[in-house]
Amino acid sequence: AQSVTQPDIHITVSEGASLELRCNYSYGATPYLFWYVQSPGQGLQLLLKYFSGDTLVQGIKGFEAEFKRSQSSFNLRKPSVHWSDAAEYFCAVGAAELVFGAGTILRVKS
Amino acid sequence: EAGVTQSPTHLIKTRGQQATLRCSPISGHTSVYWYQQALGLGLQFLLWYDEGEERNRGNFPPRFSGRQFPNYSSELNVNALELEDSALYLCASSTGTGPQNTGELFFGEGSRLTVL
Repeated sequence: AQSVTQPDIHITVSEGASLELRCNYSYGATPYLFWYVQSPGQGLQLLLKYFSGDTLVQGIKGFEAEFKRSQSSFNLRKPSVHWSDAAEYFCAVGAAELVFGAGTILRVKS
Repeated sequence: EAGVTQSPTHLIKTRGQQATLRCSPISGHTSVYWYQQALGLGLQFLLWYDEGEERNRGNFPPRFSGRQFPNYSSELNVNALELEDSALYLCASSTGTGPQNTGELFFGEGSRLTVL
């Protein structure tokens, strides 16, 4: 069965610091992997996606993620966090309906 | 180009009533997905429609149902509302499952259902 684990429920980082959000997945075939972001009261916006090819993918807003098949991971990174990045981040896997992780709430302190 | 639109934005019902939520996908998208986002429970997959047919449903009781119309818009119906049905219901659309499928879901801003 497909599943996604985001082990960190909350993360707090200082503005300007680097960020890494963890994601581990279980999927029976080559996965399609996604990171979405949700601001309070809003829908989800796609940050980036991995289908195949280069395992380091670039997304919007300066985010990147690296697919590591051996670790079944797809961690999201950003070198320097801005206050506007405070939101909830969801990792997802699938090829039609997506299975989402429980989400990680990012807080940015000034 | 218009994104995924959902209505109503907010809906308040009482226990036992029925709720109907509506979704219009992005033009050209044939697949519509419904998710429930209840407080503290993340996004739970409800239903997937493609080309007018129900393709898959999540682990929800039969009182959650829906349909997709010929113009690919969709309705989600929740009968016999219970307090725990209070949640944000998100609709998403995609290009479908054919060769053009990119796997990406485009989400609307959701309908907030409150059951009193």
